[in-house]
Amino acid sequence: GAVVSQHPSRVICKSGTSVKIECRSLDFQATTMFWYRQFPKQSLMLMATSNEGSKATYEQGVEKDKFLINHASLTLSTLTVTSAHPEDSSFYICSAPRGGPGNEQFFGPGTRLTVL
Amino acid sequence: QKEVEQNSGPLSVPEGAIASLNCTYSDRGSQSFFWYRQYSGKSPELIMSIYSNGDKEDGRFTAQLNKASQYVSLLIRDSQPSDSATYLCAVSGAAGNKLTFGGGTRVLVKP
Repeated sequence: GAVVSQHPSRVICKSGTSVKIECRSLDFQATTMFWYRQFPKQSLMLMATSNEGSKATYEQGVEKDKFLINHASLTLSTLTVTSAHPEDSSFYICSAPRGGPGNEQFFGPGTRLTVL
Repeated sequence: QKEVEQNSGPLSVPEGAIASLNCTYSDRGSQSFFWYRQYSGKSPELIMSIYSNGDKEDGRFTAQLNKASQYVSLLIRDSQPSDSATYLCAVSGAAGNKLTFGGGTRVLVKP
């Protein structure tokens, strides 16, 4: 399948700091990428749709000023968790559709964020 | 509210047997259907995609789609302990490629 990378894979930060997570499509271009959050033993929850060249689209209940998304190029989207708090600790995963008839989506390996 | 429903399990299967997973969806406009496997602590991995009614086979996996019944299933033949994971059903509609996920079915394959 297609390759999507994420960096960092794991981050521990103090409460009140900001954390940036990068998502890259390595072997295809993606005008759209998706950011998910997953809490333990729960399913994936879509946070926002990252659009290259335009503003991200946020799901209901997701604070756009807290979770800043920038789709800088056709292969890179970043999610910045601003003023992180312990309740933001979660597994953050990005995905990118490869395009084509089925638009299969491929996920990055995820970033585990722990806020102390 | 567009919904995708799965039995949470766990579905316990003896090694070598067939695991059968089911998924129903509420949006009749859904166009694309996917099964992802997720190991504990890892991100989802695409294992099957299906777009038209009927069966689609890939190795030990068979996906079945019935749009009239709004039902998609996954069969895992000759189940192996390495198949133990959570299987996520995902559906996307005609409006775009945003996926709606079910809650996942946890599968345990016992040696």
